[in-house]
Amino acid sequence: NAGVTQTPKFRILKIGQSMTLQCAQDMNHNYMYWYRQDPGMGLKLIYYSVGAGITDKGEVPNGYNVSRSTTEDFPLRLELAAPSQTSVYFCASSYSSQGMETQYFGPGTRLLVL
Amino acid sequence: KNEVEQSPQNLTAQEGEFITINCSYSVGISALHWLQQHPGGGIVSLFMLSSGKKKHGRLIATINIQEKHSSLHITASHPRDSAVYICAVRWNNDMRFGAGTRLTVKP
Repeated sequence: NAGVTQTPKFRILKIGQSMTLQCAQDMNHNYMYWYRQDPGMGLKLIYYSVGAGITDKGEVPNGYNVSRSTTEDFPLRLELAAPSQTSVYFCASSYSSQGMETQYFGPGTRLLVL
Repeated sequence: KNEVEQSPQNLTAQEGEFITINCSYSVGISALHWLQQHPGGGIVSLFMLSSGKKKHGRLIATINIQEKHSSLHITASHPRDSAVYICAVRWNNDMRFGAGTRLTVKP
């Protein structure tokens, strides 16, 4: 299994540009998440999904959109990029079994908005 | 105020020492996670706790729901344990994270 994959690894955007961060998992997990990690700060949840066709906002959703058309893919869309969106973005997926949950993280996408 | 507070922020230890990292939270939670972020940036899930204590190798995690507090212990620390350790709580379907504890273990 490849686990959780993210593309691209690194991207520079100009203010006002748009882009999509790709995330895919091959573990058939129902739950998927997008987080951002700013330098020296904790991770923050942007959006999550509990299954195909179902998404919901996390703590910091403004400026982002997501979709979940399949179990495997959970892309994150940035419209009108702003310098405040400079961050490292992590995608994760998880499963629950007997009340226990394990999250699997992708390698991250480093985004710089200039 | 952050819902999840970790201490210490930074910790330096000598190889072989017993390490304790603390996490306090202020909201009602359904579960608490401990994560490890390697120097290269990769994140690995270590534990999920909803009560009591868990052990995996040299790592032990405990949680006290009444006191809203969890600890992560590392026995016989090793330089390869050097990483940032992150506490996260599941709050309904939301996840809130501590800022992390940076651990450096010197040989």
